[in-house]
Amino acid sequence: EVQLVESGGGLVQPGGSLRLSCAASGFTFSDHYMDWVRQAPGKGLEWVGRTRNKANSYTTEYAASVKGRFTISRDVSKKSLYLQMNSLRTEDTAVYYCARVYCTPIRCYASDSWGQGTLVTVSS
Amino acid sequence: DIQMTQSPSSLSASVGDRVTITCRASQGISNYLAWFQQKPGKAPKSLIYDASSLQSGVPSKFSGSGSGTDFTLTISNLQPEDFATYYCQHYNGYPLTFGGGTKVEIK
Repeated sequence: EVQLVESGGGLVQPGGSLRLSCAASGFTFSDHYMDWVRQAPGKGLEWVGRTRNKANSYTTEYAASVKGRFTISRDVSKKSLYLQMNSLRTEDTAVYYCARVYCTPIRCYASDSWGQGTLVTVSS
Repeated sequence: DIQMTQSPSSLSASVGDRVTITCRASQGISNYLAWFQQKPGKAPKSLIYDASSLQSGVPSKFSGSGSGTDFTLTISNLQPEDFATYYCQHYNGYPLTFGGGTKVEIK
């Protein structure tokens, strides 16, 4: 069974930093793309960024709203995905979800499994 | 960036009804369209990928169709557990974007 468990959320001041983690289990972590998606209080879903799989050298993509401030990485030995968030702004306040993007050797599809989310609050 | 527009933003329906939600892309996305269900306080759940393919374990009461710019999600025989917010998302290039959501409420 695929399981994704986020951690690391909390209260941080504007301009501060925070690192979120997503522990993965139940699948071969290096085979699949991984996304971060966030949801501000009372708002819709916003894609934050992606790391591709080993076959695609774990390259990354980001939304314009976070590019240059957020960095996605993964530690395959720990089966963990990370989101390093720097220069945080009040508008980054949201629940952050990690999601697996299902991939076969031929192609990748859409997200098929999600974590429960972790809340990040940026406030002074 | 590709904009995804969902309609309606909310709808009221009764148990047993059939409902249809529309998602329109600002440019053609082939069939690279997914649908998600989200209940209050919960993580999204993946329902459909490639516009019309059901994720494993998703009941056949959910169906998707469309290609290019216009897509629909249809829910048949609405049950209490189906009352939720539904989102579409394209994955035809970056950035990926979601529709604004459609809240399905009990009439």
